[in-house]
Amino acid sequence: NAGVTQTPKFRILKIGQSMTLQCTQDMNHNYMYWYRQDPGMGLKLIYYSVGAGITDKGEVPNGYNVSRSTTEDFPLRLELAAPSQTSVYFCASSPGGLAGGNSYEQYFGPGTRLTVT
Amino acid sequence: GEDVEQSLFLSVREGDSSVINCTYTDSSSTYLYWYKQEPGAGLQLLTYIFSNMDMKQDQRLTVLLNKKDKHLSLRIADTQTGDSAIYFCAEKGRNFNKFYFGSGTKLNVKP
Repeated sequence: NAGVTQTPKFRILKIGQSMTLQCTQDMNHNYMYWYRQDPGMGLKLIYYSVGAGITDKGEVPNGYNVSRSTTEDFPLRLELAAPSQTSVYFCASSPGGLAGGNSYEQYFGPGTRLTVT
Repeated sequence: GEDVEQSLFLSVREGDSSVINCTYTDSSSTYLYWYKQEPGAGLQLLTYIFSNMDMKQDQRLTVLLNKKDKHLSLRIADTQTGDSAIYFCAEKGRNFNKFYFGSGTKLNVKP
């Protein structure tokens, strides 16, 4: 299993440009998450999904959109990039749907480092 | 949102024990987690504890939970240079889809 993969690893955007951050998992996990990590800060939840066709906002959804057309893929879209969106973006997945702490264990991708100038 | 707080840095000598502390505000937390992040990588789960437990031990790792004070700690025995990383505390509240992370504690292990 590859686990959670993210592309690209790095990207520089100009203000106002758009892009899609890709995330794929091959573990058949129900739950998927997008976080951003700003320097010296913890992770902030942007959006999450509990299954194909279902998405919901996290703490910091403004400026982003997501879709979940398949179990495997959970892309994050930035429509009009702003300098405040400069961050490292992590995608994660977890089995979910079962009792027990380990069903919520999140498996993280390696991250996408995005700079908006 | 919920608050999860950690000190930013900890420096220890190889072979000593490390204790990383975390406080949280959500009294309805069900599970609390410790993640490790190595440079340039995503987070990796180290261990977790259910909120009705006081302690959990897993090889060199000991997690202590004081639910009354909302305080969580991670003790790493016989700390090695390979333990140098950022350690994140996270809690899952009753809204089972949401997790709240601390800002991370950077552990530096000196040889």
